[in-house]
Amino acid sequence: NAGVTQTPKFRILKIGQSMTLQCAQDMNHNYMYWYRQDPGMGLKLIYYSVGAGITDKGEVPNGYNVSRSTTEDFPLRLELAAPSQTSVYFCASSTGYEQYFGPGTRLTVT
Amino acid sequence: TQLLEQSPQFLSIQEGENLTVYCNSSSVFSSLQWYRQEPGEGPVLLVTVVTGGEVKKLKRLTFQFGDARKDSSLHITAAQPGDTGLYLCAGGESGGSNYKLTFGKGTLLTVNP
Repeated sequence: NAGVTQTPKFRILKIGQSMTLQCAQDMNHNYMYWYRQDPGMGLKLIYYSVGAGITDKGEVPNGYNVSRSTTEDFPLRLELAAPSQTSVYFCASSTGYEQYFGPGTRLTVT
Repeated sequence: TQLLEQSPQFLSIQEGENLTVYCNSSSVFSSLQWYRQEPGEGPVLLVTVVTGGEVKKLKRLTFQFGDARKDSSLHITAAQPGDTGLYLCAGGESGGSNYKLTFGKGTLLTVNP
């Protein structure tokens, strides 16, 4: 099993550009999550999903969108990138209890 | 909003020393998890505690959940350089929403050879 995979690993965006961060899991987990991690700030929940077709906002959803058309995939869309979105983004999946994280995407917006 | 406070924020010790890091809240959690994160990687789950007063041991690591399920501690005996990393605690929401976790800001541990 590959677990949770994320692409790309690094990306630099210009202000106003858009991009999609990809996340996939092969553990057949119903729950999936997107977090951002800023230095000294822990993990902040952006969006989460409890199953295919069902998504909900987390603590910091502004500027982001998600979709969940399959159990395996949970892409995160950034529209009109802003410098405040410079961060490390982690995707995670869960059976509803313990979470398994991907390796992260380091995004810089300049 | 449930908050988890971790202390200390930074800890630098010598190999062989013992240490304890803390995770505290004014809220009750249904479960408490500890993760370790190494530079450039995602967090990896170490342990889950669910019962007030529960103690779990994982080799040189001892985890305790407070009686009131509001706090937790992680004790490392005879720390090694391989223990270096960011230690994050995360609480499962009381009331059944275990699938959503609240994370603390972490304790950054450095163990010097």
